Amino acid sequence: GNSVTQMEGPVTLSEEAFLTINCTYTATGYPSLFWYVQYPGEGLQLLLKATKADDKGSNKGFEATYRKETTSFHLEKGSVQVSDSAVYFCALSDRANTGFQKLVFGTGTRLLVSP
Amino acid sequence: EADIYQTPRYLVIGTGKKITLECSQTMGHDKMYWYQQDPGMELHLIHYSYGVNSTEKGDLSSESTVSRIRTEHFPLTLESARPSHTSQYLCASSEYPDAVTEAFFGQGTRLTVV
Repeated sequence: GNSVTQMEGPVTLSEEAFLTINCTYTATGYPSLFWYVQYPGEGLQLLLKATKADDKGSNKGFEATYRKETTSFHLEKGSVQVSDSAVYFCALSDRANTGFQKLVFGTGTRLLVSP
Repeated sequence: EADIYQTPRYLVIGTGKKITLECSQTMGHDKMYWYQQDPGMELHLIHYSYGVNSTEKGDLSSESTVSRIRTEHFPLTLESARPSHTSQYLCASSEYPDAVTEAFFGQGTRLTVV
């Protein structure tokens, strides 16, 4: 099945620093790619997505581009804020043996932003 | 704002007790999922459902069971809780039967079995 590998954390940054969280994937076919964010004590929220090669997803100052040639979907933000402190999950769509379309998640990267 | 709700948010229970974690969504989604999130944050799919009267086991073997009698309701049951069941359980739903465009998550239930 399809799988996702993302960089281990924690990533510790000062406010207004540039953020990159790496994500690479292994897949047959052309899955959709996602970044989800989990704030402390909460469930996951979709941050952005891309459904085909060269698509760029963006939201709240975060961006990620679907790169088929490098099988990557790295998350970037130009200037992080303390409120961005959370756990970030890279995910892709996959098909179970039953044909069910599901999400497969990376292991998550914790981001800590200090004032 | 996603309309998917889990109760309780936190539960501490003794070994051997039967528990049911509730999950409800008001979006009319056919597909629903249960994920188990371990302390290292990794998410594992333990159950999913295509719709009413359809349930399947996910990638990670689990002693829990699920039911889907109504579209909006997807409860998870543990017949006899054990300390190894201590984890966070996340319920989710999505709209399209043949694709995953976005999954909406509840806030989770943090279960502690003592």
